[in-house]
Formats: sequence, C-alpha cells, structure tokens
Amino acid sequence: DAGVIQSPRHEVTEMGQEVTLRCKPISGHNSLFWYRQTMMRGLELLIYFNNNVPIDDSGMPEDRFSAKMPNASFSTLKIQPSEPRDSAVYFCASTSSGGATGELFFGEGSRLTVL
Amino acid sequence: GNSVTQMEGPVTLSEEAFLTINCTYTATGYPSLFWYVQYPGEGLQLLLKATKADDKGSNKGFEATYRKETTSFHLEKGSVQVSDSAVYFCALRAYQAGTALIFGKGTTLSVSS
Repeated sequence: DAGVIQSPRHEVTEMGQEVTLRCKPISGHNSLFWYRQTMMRGLELLIYFNNNVPIDDSGMPEDRFSAKMPNASFSTLKIQPSEPRDSAVYFCASTSSGGATGELFFGEGSRLTVL
Repeated sequence: GNSVTQMEGPVTLSEEAFLTINCTYTATGYPSLFWYVQYPGEGLQLLLKATKADDKGSNKGFEATYRKETTSFHLEKGSVQVSDSAVYFCALRAYQAGTALIFGKGTTLSVSS
C-alpha cells in the first residue's frame, strides 16, 4: 500500500524564490498535518486539516507561509518569498481522525535549503 | 497548554546495554501518549502507544508505561542493538478528538558494537 507521498524530496533555492511542497495523503485518511523539523526547534506543527478544512494554523510562522488542501488527495505548502531561516525538513502526515488510535503516518519529508 | 519534555541527547550506548529515555508531559484531561522513531533519512514511524493511565505500550523489545501520577512515559529497552540507532520522539494527543500530536524535541540514540 502506498504511504504518504511527498515531493520534492530535496529542494535547493535562493532567498526570495517561491517554494511549493506537495503531499498526497494515504487514501481514506481525512486528516492531514504539516510539520517542520529543525535541529534547534525539533518538530513543530504548522497546520492541520480535517476533511480538507484548515482546523489549526497557529503554527504557521508568518504570512509568507500558506497551505491548501483543494481535495482529499492533495495538499500544498507554499513559502513566498523564501528566506534562509526556512531551511528545514518539512513533513506531511495523515490519519483517519475518526480512528481511536491517533497514529499519524508520515511521509519521508522534503528537505528545503534556502541559500 | 499541552507540552512534552524529553531528555536531551545524544545517548550513546554499547550493544546489549539497557536504555531509558525519559519523557514527561503537561496536558489537560487524559491524553494518549506515543513514542515515534525516526531512522536516518526517513519519516517518523510509530513505535508504541498507550491511551490510558497504567497502560503499557510495547513493540520490538521497547516498552513504556503511562504514569499519570508522575505525568511520565519513559521509554525502556533491556538490550539495545546497533540497528536501534535512531532519533526517538515522545508525543501526546490531547483528549479532544481530531487534535494533532505534540512532539518532544527528540533524543538521538547511537549504539555501537
């Protein structure tokens, strides 16, 4: 079975450029999460969706960050304009929110480097 | 608010040594507790979980017991292997349905032969 699929796996860009990260959740999952991982701050929740609707975006750092989920099988995280401090690994995760276990299934991450 | 605190790493052990990684939490109500593991270059994957007080989660020789009185969920393994080298994350899910997991900062474990 396919897991959570993220693209690109690696992205190197220059400061000021727009970056778009993509995520395909596991089929049938109705909750999707974007996390950011850095050495200094660990794993931070940026935003999550239930049934394609954003529920909590309080972790989004600033207006340069935006996330969308136009349908149940696709989500994007966009950074515009990007800055060097945005360099991190961005993880997408999904789950069935109606399930009792609460287990999140993670993608392999998108490593972003902003020069 | 809800939060998770886990011991700073890195933890460096020899093969077959005993492992403990401490984790404490702050939460309202009765959260579910989790340990996730991240191998190099991969995403996080669930290692074990416990959903109520005194529950013991276990998997692959790892164990953790949900201690409400001490708000702790320490991870233990009796005999570590080189293949256990990874980053371990403690996490909680608040009792309200649909909330996201809150993670600790992670503890890096390095096991040498």
